[in-house]
Amino acid sequence: GAGVSQSPSNKVTEKGKDVELRCDPISGHTALYWYRQSLGQGLEFLIYFQGNSAPDKSGLPSDRFSAERTGGSVSTLTIQRTQQEDSAVYLCASSLARGANEKLFFGSGTQLSVL
Amino acid sequence: KNQVEQSPQSLIILEGKNCTLQCNYTVSPFSNLRWYKQDTGRGPVSLTIMTFSENTKSNGRYTATLDADTKQSSLHITASQLSDSASYICVVSSKAAGNKLTFGGGTRVLVKP
Repeated sequence: GAGVSQSPSNKVTEKGKDVELRCDPISGHTALYWYRQSLGQGLEFLIYFQGNSAPDKSGLPSDRFSAERTGGSVSTLTIQRTQQEDSAVYLCASSLARGANEKLFFGSGTQLSVL
Repeated sequence: KNQVEQSPQSLIILEGKNCTLQCNYTVSPFSNLRWYKQDTGRGPVSLTIMTFSENTKSNGRYTATLDADTKQSSLHITASQLSDSASYICVVSSKAAGNKLTFGGGTRVLVKP
């Protein structure tokens, strides 16, 4: 596609429910990142995928968070047993590789609201 | 701890005026510094990427400066337009962390007619 696509754009859920957020990176981009952006805060790194390598999960805040990337393309971020503090914008980005000067291209994000 | 601090948190300027946003960082060892523009409800879009050896880089009406000695950067917006209303985010990459990015909290700019 022309850009990074994320769905849904908005998600409202009840505390304790599971949610799945989807990211379609730019075709040909081997690197894919998930970030979380809370109101007034800087982007918080969650997880990074590079090709077929094991993902860098060092930013996941708890074991309720997981992500997978199937076939080196589409990625899904899953949050189990959602809590109110999970409410944030979840941003996905992709780049050609994880080189030092690689430009990241971001999707528009999924606004998650946990009631 | 790697940190990126931006100032001011927000500012309001009149259309046609100039403004300068500041970014201080403690990220080490330094790889590069990026400025992103984030419109409301959208993802960040890259404006500039500057390496250690670059002091100034322009992208249209946006000019970024970098002083790697003092670990400071600025983003200057010239002849502001209403479409410049957005958050501007400073991001620093560290060589030691596998090029992991540290994001500042952003400066929210509002351009008024």
